[in-house]
Amino acid sequence: KAGVTQTPRYLIKTRGQQVTLSCSPISGHRSVSWYQQTPGQGLQFLFEYFSETQRNKGNFPGRFSGRQFSNSRSEMNVSTLELGDSALYLCASSTRQGAGTGELFFGEGSRLTVL
Amino acid sequence: GENVEQHPSTLSVQEGDSAVIKCTYSDSASNYFPWYKQELGKRPQLIIDIRSNVGEKKDQRIAVTLNKTAKHFSLHITETQPEDSAVYFCAASMGGTASKLTFGTGTRLQVTL
Repeated sequence: KAGVTQTPRYLIKTRGQQVTLSCSPISGHRSVSWYQQTPGQGLQFLFEYFSETQRNKGNFPGRFSGRQFSNSRSEMNVSTLELGDSALYLCASSTRQGAGTGELFFGEGSRLTVL
Repeated sequence: GENVEQHPSTLSVQEGDSAVIKCTYSDSASNYFPWYKQELGKRPQLIIDIRSNVGEKKDQRIAVTLNKTAKHFSLHITETQPEDSAVYFCAASMGGTASKLTFGTGTRLQVTL
């Protein structure tokens, strides 16, 4: 079974630009979460999607948005990029079957550098 | 919101020794506590998890303990090996699922020969 796939793996943008990152979950997984990883802050939750609906949202500004498609693939968008947005953006999928589920399967991440 | 503190930030042990990483959480409603291991340049992977109805869980050389009263949980690795060298993250969430995990800031474990 293929793992979680994220594209692009690396990208460089300048301040003020916008970026779209893509995530394809493991086949059969309907929940997709996004996390931002930085050296100082660790992993911080951005949002979670399940069945094309945003189910949870972290404490990030409105410049960060996402969506999920009917095939469970997800995208996240960051508009008006700031230097502080430089980070590794990790996507994770899970089956989400209520209290019985627990494991997040992470992708390798998209490393964004903002100049 | 939930806050998870993790200590130490770095830990160096000799091969064969034990390693202990501790985390505290702030929200008493949290009931799911996973630990993820991230090797250099790789994705985080779940190594063990525990739910609030259990006090301890073991998987070979790895164990996790949970003290709900004190709101802290710990990862114990026995007989450490060089391949245990990685960054370990604790996390907490509510609802018994992996939704909206709050992670600690990580512990870099170095196992020396």
